[in-house]
Amino acid sequence: DAGITQSPRHKVTETGTPVTLRCHQTENHRYMYWYRQDPGHGLRLIHYSYGVKDTDKGEVSDGYSVSRSKTEDFLLTLESATSSQTSVYFCAIRKKGQTEAFFGQGTRLTVV
Amino acid sequence: AQSVSQHNHHVILSEAASLELGCNYSYGGTVNLFWYVQYPGQHLQLLLKYFSGDPLVKGIKGFEAEFIKSKFSFNLRKPSVQWSDTAEYFCAVNGVDSSYKLIFGSGTRLLVRP
Repeated sequence: DAGITQSPRHKVTETGTPVTLRCHQTENHRYMYWYRQDPGHGLRLIHYSYGVKDTDKGEVSDGYSVSRSKTEDFLLTLESATSSQTSVYFCAIRKKGQTEAFFGQGTRLTVV
Repeated sequence: AQSVSQHNHHVILSEAASLELGCNYSYGGTVNLFWYVQYPGQHLQLLLKYFSGDPLVKGIKGFEAEFIKSKFSFNLRKPSVQWSDTAEYFCAVNGVDSSYKLIFGSGTRLLVRP
């Protein structure tokens, strides 16, 4: 268990509304990642962070922004949700000295 | 850009059958390779990883994978599957850069029939 908590776990929202997903970790890891999972695409990286206020884009970053004002929290914001952003969102961390990522339980987001 | 290909999208096996799932990646440099498993309704869990040394790596639950550098492959194997192995399996790679970000294949859904 990597001490990752994602909230909310499920959300239904309307097109055009802003949505923020939260990833909280308890172990002070430097690297945090947001992925989305869609059938036939596996997981695709949205944004990642390598420290407080240090973030960078992944391969599918359009329509998403992130913030990391504290080590323990990495927020993903959909500025104006669209139906194409209906997905399962996973947060992950990388522990110091290890190469693999550890994943949270996921957030299922439905945009109607 | 790095990419990962998983050629089998759906696999159906009977219990005790042998399993081999293909994974190929495109990256010419040093890589770390992973197989993750996602059981129904759950998050991804690491099955095994390769970063250096013996190209045959053993993971949890009797899984193993072989890294063949000349073929850019990292195939997952299990000699005898169980019903409880029903899950989705993802191959992933990260290049040895400062971000450690993972690039995933599209996944293989495995159904094991009792």
